[in-house]
Amino acid sequence: GQQVMQIPQYQHVQEGEDFTTYCNSSTTLSNIQWYKQRPGGHPVFLIQLVKSGEVKKQKRLTFQFGEAKKNSSLHITATQTTDVGTYFCAAPGYSSASKIIFGSGTRLSIRP
Amino acid sequence: DAMVIQNPRYQVTQFGKPVTLSCSQTLNHNVMYWYQQKSSQAPKLLFHYYDKDFNNEADTPDNFQSRRPNTSFCFLDIRSPGLGDAAMYLCATSRSPGENQPQHFGDGTRLSIL
Repeated sequence: GQQVMQIPQYQHVQEGEDFTTYCNSSTTLSNIQWYKQRPGGHPVFLIQLVKSGEVKKQKRLTFQFGEAKKNSSLHITATQTTDVGTYFCAAPGYSSASKIIFGSGTRLSIRP
Repeated sequence: DAMVIQNPRYQVTQFGKPVTLSCSQTLNHNVMYWYQQKSSQAPKLLFHYYDKDFNNEADTPDNFQSRRPNTSFCFLDIRSPGLGDAAMYLCATSRSPGENQPQHFGDGTRLSIL
């Protein structure tokens, strides 16, 4: 079935270090979304990328969509303890425009 | 504030005893989704409604059913829960079925099976 691969599975960093998670698809995507799920919480929408090569920033978070629209990344500069959680990318489903397929997620933990 | 509300937050049921989870939304969104999320895994879509149109995922077990009596409410029925059905169940909504629509999640119901 349709899959969106996400790496790494886990990342443990010192507070203040940077963090990056990568998302890859075997097919061209019309768009990609990113969600954050805090421990014990629910996924929260962060951003959506639509254009080839698009780069968007939200404070310390930088989101990129690849030129071929097959990959995406989320980079956090100078991590803080509030960044702890699992970051999921999500791509539109093949069979229906109303559904999304989540990547496997990257769990970020931080040493204070 | 407009939101997606799931009740209860925690549900315990017995093996084989039917259980219903509920979701309501004040966003007036057209689409409602049910996901199953197990520990350290991504949410897995079970089915979704676009208005009254039901869309089942091919690999969703027949044991799982859903009802959407009106725009605001959606229910997940598990007819005969097995131990493997213990999980977090997340309800989400989106404004329309078109692409580029963010999904808004409820806090989830954590289901335990005795």
